[in-house]
Amino acid sequence: DAGVIQSPRHEVTEMGQEVTLRCKPISGHNSLFWYRQTMMRGLELLIYFNNNVPIDDSGMPEDRFSAKMPNASFSTLKIQPSEPRDSAVYFCASSFSGYSMNYEQYFGPGTRLTVT
Amino acid sequence: GENVEQHPSTLSVQEGDSAVIKCTYSDSASNYFPWYKQELGKRPQLIIDIRSNVGEKKDQRIAVTLNKTAKHFSLHITETQPEDSAVYFCAATTRRNMDSNYQLIWGAGTKLIIKP
Repeated sequence: DAGVIQSPRHEVTEMGQEVTLRCKPISGHNSLFWYRQTMMRGLELLIYFNNNVPIDDSGMPEDRFSAKMPNASFSTLKIQPSEPRDSAVYFCASSFSGYSMNYEQYFGPGTRLTVT
Repeated sequence: GENVEQHPSTLSVQEGDSAVIKCTYSDSASNYFPWYKQELGKRPQLIIDIRSNVGEKKDQRIAVTLNKTAKHFSLHITETQPEDSAVYFCAATTRRNMDSNYQLIWGAGTKLIIKP
């Protein structure tokens, strides 16, 4: 398996522009997580999906952020409009939540977003 | 809400010495406690985990201990080597209510520095 795939790996954009981050989870995993990591705030959970349904989006900072999971193999995190304070590394992670209670999360390589 | 506290935030040890990182959690229903290692510029990766029915688990130079009564767990690294330098995150499972899915609550991370 190729692991969790994220694109793009790096994104530089100007303030006010729309940014879309993409994630392909590991095949067979039914939970998907979006995290944001900065030096100041550490690793923050933004939102997570179970069986393509958003379960907890309490970590989404504001209405400028939205996430979708139209099917089991694809998810997007969109920021519109982007602001300099959104600059961070965004990780997508997936896991299989089943009767075995195996909660191990597998992280993608991350997208480094810079908003100027 | 539920939280996980991790200490210390930075730990510097001499190569060959042992390192201990401690975490406390607040949700008495937590049943899974993973430790992730994140090397500079890379993604977090699971290095060891422990479930609530076990008090200690060891894998070569790393071990994790769990005290459910006190609600704390620790990561122990013996005979530290330069490649152990990284940020280490602890986490614990929690869920918002009986109808929601389990998710991980993360500690703030410990930067481990191995001095040659």
